[in-house]
Amino acid sequence: DAGVTQSPTHLIKTRGQQVTLRCSPKSGHDTVSWYQQALGQGPQFIFQYYEEEERQRGNFPDRFSGHQFPNYSSELNVNALLLGDSALYLCASRSGGTGHSPLHFGNGTRLTVT
Amino acid sequence: AQSVAQPEDQVNVAEGNPLTVKCTYSVSGNPYLFWYVQYPNRGLQFLLKYITGDNLVKGSYGFEAEFNKSQTSFHLKKPSALVSDSALYFCAVRSNQGGKLIFGQGTELSVKP
Repeated sequence: DAGVTQSPTHLIKTRGQQVTLRCSPKSGHDTVSWYQQALGQGPQFIFQYYEEEERQRGNFPDRFSGHQFPNYSSELNVNALLLGDSALYLCASRSGGTGHSPLHFGNGTRLTVT
Repeated sequence: AQSVAQPEDQVNVAEGNPLTVKCTYSVSGNPYLFWYVQYPNRGLQFLLKYITGDNLVKGSYGFEAEFNKSQTSFHLKKPSALVSDSALYFCAVRSNQGGKLIFGQGTELSVKP
C-alpha cells in the first residue's frame, strides 16, 4: 500500500519563476494538506483541500495556490518565487471522516530558490 | 491563538537510559495532541496521539506520552533509549476536528552508545 508520494524530490528555481509541486495521497485518504518546513523550523500549515475545495488556509500570501483533483491528488503552485520560499514542502493526507485521524506525510520536495 | 512550545532544542541521552522530550501547548477548547518523528531528508512519521481518555498514551517503537491538562503538557517518553531513536521530534496540536496542525519547533534527540 503506497503512502503519500510527492514529486519532484528536489527542485532548483530562480527568483521570479513559478513552480508546481505534486502529491498523491495515501490510498483511502481524501483530504490533503500542504506544509512548508524551513531549515531548522517546524512545519507551517499552508492550506488544506477536501472535495476539491480549499477548506482552510494558513498565513501565506496569494502567491501560494493549490488544487485538488477528482482522484484526490493535489498540486501546490507558487508564483513569483522569492529566496525565502526555499524550504522543504510537505504534503500530508488523511481520511476526512474524522478529526481524530493522524496526518500521513510524504518525504517532501526540497525547493531551492537562487 | 494556538501554539506549541518545545523548550529544548536538543536532548542528549545515553543508550539504555530513559528519555523525555518536553512539549507544552496553548489552545482553546479540547486539544488533539500528536507526536511525530523526522529522520534526515524524510517526511514526518506519526508516533502517537491523544484525543480523549487515559492520560498515558502508548505509540509506535515503544514511545509513550503523558497528557497533563492542568500543566497543558504532553511530554514524550521512552523507558530505554536506542541509538536508532536519534532523530528530530515534533509535537503538534489540533484544536478542532479537521483543523490545521500547529507544530512546535522540534527537539533533536541524540542517543549515544
